[in-house]
Amino acid sequence: KAGVTQTPRYLIKTRGQQVTLSCSPISGHRSVSWYQQTPGQGLQFLFEYFSETQRNKGNFPGRFSGRQFSNSRSEMNVSTLELGDSALYLCASRKWDLAGGGYEQYFGPGTRLTVT
Amino acid sequence: DAKTTQPTSMDCAEGRAANLPCNHSTISGNEYVYWYRQIHSQGPQYIIHGLKNNETNEMASLIITEDRKSSTLILPHATLRDTAVYYCIVRVSPTQGGSEKLVFGKGTKLTVNP
Repeated sequence: KAGVTQTPRYLIKTRGQQVTLSCSPISGHRSVSWYQQTPGQGLQFLFEYFSETQRNKGNFPGRFSGRQFSNSRSEMNVSTLELGDSALYLCASRKWDLAGGGYEQYFGPGTRLTVT
Repeated sequence: DAKTTQPTSMDCAEGRAANLPCNHSTISGNEYVYWYRQIHSQGPQYIIHGLKNNETNEMASLIITEDRKSSTLILPHATLRDTAVYYCIVRVSPTQGGSEKLVFGKGTKLTVNP
């Protein structure tokens, strides 16, 4: 079974630009979450999507947004990039089994974003 | 969610058991203990979770004390590939349709030495 895939793996952008990152969940997983990891702040939750709807959101400015498609694939967008947005962006998927269980999250390898 | 306390770093000899402790003295009755690990430059990997009974899977064992205020993750025969940061997370398991948000602390940096 293929794992969570993220594209691109590495990205370099300049301040003020915008960026879109993509995540494909494990087949059968209906929920996708996004996390930001930096040396200073560690791993921080951005948002979670299920059924194309944002279900939960972390404490990030509105420049960070996301969406989910009908096939559960997800994208996140960061507009007006700042130097502090340089980070590893991780996507995680889980089943979201309404019958119970399926709470474990499975992470992708991440996208390393560098803002110059 | 209850807060967790883990040692900053630990060392273990290859082939020996690695025992990683976690304190969660304010844990509530409906909160689970989850363990994830992150090998350098990779995404975190789910290891195991439990509520009150000890749990074992192909990767590790989880021992939860009777009062549930602490737990220990056991890697029975540590290998060099087990060198990683290990995160202990206490979390209410979401109800049907509920959202899940993992709050990661600093974790324990485990170094397995040859």
